[in-house]
Amino acid sequence: EAGVAQSPRYKIIEKRQSVAFWCNPISGHATLYWYQQILGQGPKLLIQFQNNGVVDDSQLPKDRFSAERLKGVDSTLKIQPAKLEDSAVYLCASSSTEVYEQYFGPGTRLTVT
Amino acid sequence: QQQVKQSPQSLIVQKGGISIINCAYENTAFDYFPWYQQFPGKGPALLIAIRPDVSEKKEGRFTISFNKSAKQFSLHIMDSQPGDSATYFCAASMGSGAGSYQLTFGKGTKLSVIP
Repeated sequence: EAGVAQSPRYKIIEKRQSVAFWCNPISGHATLYWYQQILGQGPKLLIQFQNNGVVDDSQLPKDRFSAERLKGVDSTLKIQPAKLEDSAVYLCASSSTEVYEQYFGPGTRLTVT
Repeated sequence: QQQVKQSPQSLIVQKGGISIINCAYENTAFDYFPWYQQFPGKGPALLIAIRPDVSEKKEGRFTISFNKSAKQFSLHIMDSQPGDSATYFCAASMGSGAGSYQLTFGKGTKLSVIP
């Protein structure tokens, strides 16, 4: 079974630029999560999708972050405009419906200069 | 409170020794407590998890001990090996209510196992 795929793996941008990350969850997993992991800290949830609907986006900085999962499979997380403090690893995870176990992708390391 | 507190921040253990990492939580609604292992450049990987109806769970060299009354749980790695050197995160989740199945992570423990 293929794992969670993410791209790109690394991205360097200047502040005020925009960036987008892509995630393809494990086949059949209806629930998809985006986490932000700042260096030296644990992952922090940004948004949770169930199929193509948003379950919880209360911790997403909506003035600059947006996410979508149009067909209930792949998802895109966008930052516009980026700030220096957005430098982090952005992790995507997926799970089956109403189960605890989440499986993480390798992440995208974003550096904002 | 959704916080999960993890200690120590870093740990150095001799090969063959026992590594112990501790976590404490505040929200009594949490009912699932996993440990994740993360190697540099990789995403977190589920290592072992426990539900609050048991006090201990063992899988190979990895054991979770759970103390419901103290709201604490810990990871024990027996016979620690250099290949166990990684960052370990405890987490907590709940299966109902607002934020169900979301993981709240501790800050992580960087384990170094020296030969």
